[in-house]
Amino acid sequence: DAGVIQSPRHEVTEMGQEVTLRCKPISGHDYLFWYRQTMMRGLELLIYFNNNVPIDDSGMPEDRFSAKMPNASFSTLKIQPSEPRDSAVYFCASGPGVSGYGYTFGSGTRLTVV
Amino acid sequence: SQQGEEDPQALSIQEGENATMNCSYKTSINNLQWYRQNSGRGLVHLILIRSNEREKHSGRLRVTLDTSKKSSSLLITASRAADTASYFCATGNNDMRFGAGTRLTVKP
Repeated sequence: DAGVIQSPRHEVTEMGQEVTLRCKPISGHDYLFWYRQTMMRGLELLIYFNNNVPIDDSGMPEDRFSAKMPNASFSTLKIQPSEPRDSAVYFCASGPGVSGYGYTFGSGTRLTVV
Repeated sequence: SQQGEEDPQALSIQEGENATMNCSYKTSINNLQWYRQNSGRGLVHLILIRSNEREKHSGRLRVTLDTSKKSSSLLITASRAADTASYFCATGNNDMRFGAGTRLTVKP
């Protein structure tokens, strides 16, 4: 398995533009998470899905952020409009629905909003 | 769910020494996990300990869990320069949340 695949690896965009981050989880994993990591705030859980259904989006900072999981093999995190304070590394992780196993992280997308 | 909090924030040791990092949490848990993050990379799962377990080993890693004190420790024995990384504990039933991490530096 190629692991959790995120794209793009790096994204530089201008303030006000729409940004879409993509994630392909490991096949067979029932859970998918989106995290944001910054020096100031550490690793924040934004939203997670179980069987493609959003379970908890209380970590999504504001309405500018939205996440979807149209099928078991794909998820997106969209920011519209983007702001400089959204600059961070965004990670996607997936895991099985069976207790006792850890979760696998993607390599992350480094987003810079100028 | 409340995330775990790691202690110390930073730790610097010589190669060959042991490194101990601690994690405290506030709510009841089903399991607690430890992850490593090398600079610029994603997190890598190291070990998971269930709430009914007290100790678990994996290679040079030893994890303990004390549910009465709501704390866990990660011991890395005979550390190597390659162990230099940030280490995080994660708690939560399915909504896995992380603390700020311990930054470990192992000097050759």
